[in-house]
Amino acid sequence: EVQLVESGGGLVQPGRSLKLSCAASGFTFSNYYMAWVRQAPKKGLEWVATISTSGSRTYYPDSVKGRFTISRDNAKSSLYLQMNSLKSEDTATYYCARTTEGTVDYWGQGVMVTVSS
Amino acid sequence: DVVMTQTPVSMSVSLGGQVSISCRSSQSLVHNNGNTYLSWYIQKPSQSPQLLIYKVSNRFSGISDRFSGSGSGTDFTLKISRVEPDDLGVYYCGQGTQYHTFGAGTKLELK
Repeated sequence: EVQLVESGGGLVQPGRSLKLSCAASGFTFSNYYMAWVRQAPKKGLEWVATISTSGSRTYYPDSVKGRFTISRDNAKSSLYLQMNSLKSEDTATYYCARTTEGTVDYWGQGVMVTVSS
Repeated sequence: DVVMTQTPVSMSVSLGGQVSISCRSSQSLVHNNGNTYLSWYIQKPSQSPQLLIYKVSNRFSGISDRFSGSGSGTDFTLKISRVEPDDLGVYYCGQGTQYHTFGAGTKLELK
């Protein structure tokens, strides 16, 4: 059974940093592109970052480019999201996501990040 | 950026009824490789999104044949037949042809 378990969320002040982690199991982690998708309170879904199987290629939307960094450790079947210079508009539930065939086929349970002073 | 527009924003349905949700993209979702990466997801209350349909019309593992997807280019439709209580929630379309973007969602409620 595919499982994606996020951790590392919490309350952080504007301008500070936070690192999210995602522990994957139930599949060969190194075979899949992975992504982070977020959802602001009572809002829709927003793609945040994607990383290739080896980690050599990363992709971001303009809203987080230069502030967020996605990375992975295939030996540990783990995905990470380093978030710097956080803003109030980054407040959201962050989902770890497995991607394949142009879709997100599995989602984690999500972790809440609140950016507030 | 590819903008996904879903209609309606919300709809109510009777159990056993049928619904259609529309999704339109701001540009063609046909990839250079010939595939069209349009997916449908459901987010039930207090849960993570779940994949229903990928590549326009392919049902994900374990998804009932009451769910069907169709469309091409920029116009796509999700149909749900014989609606059951477990079908209620917010439905999102999403594209994966150019990175990922999602529609704003369609809330399906009981009439």
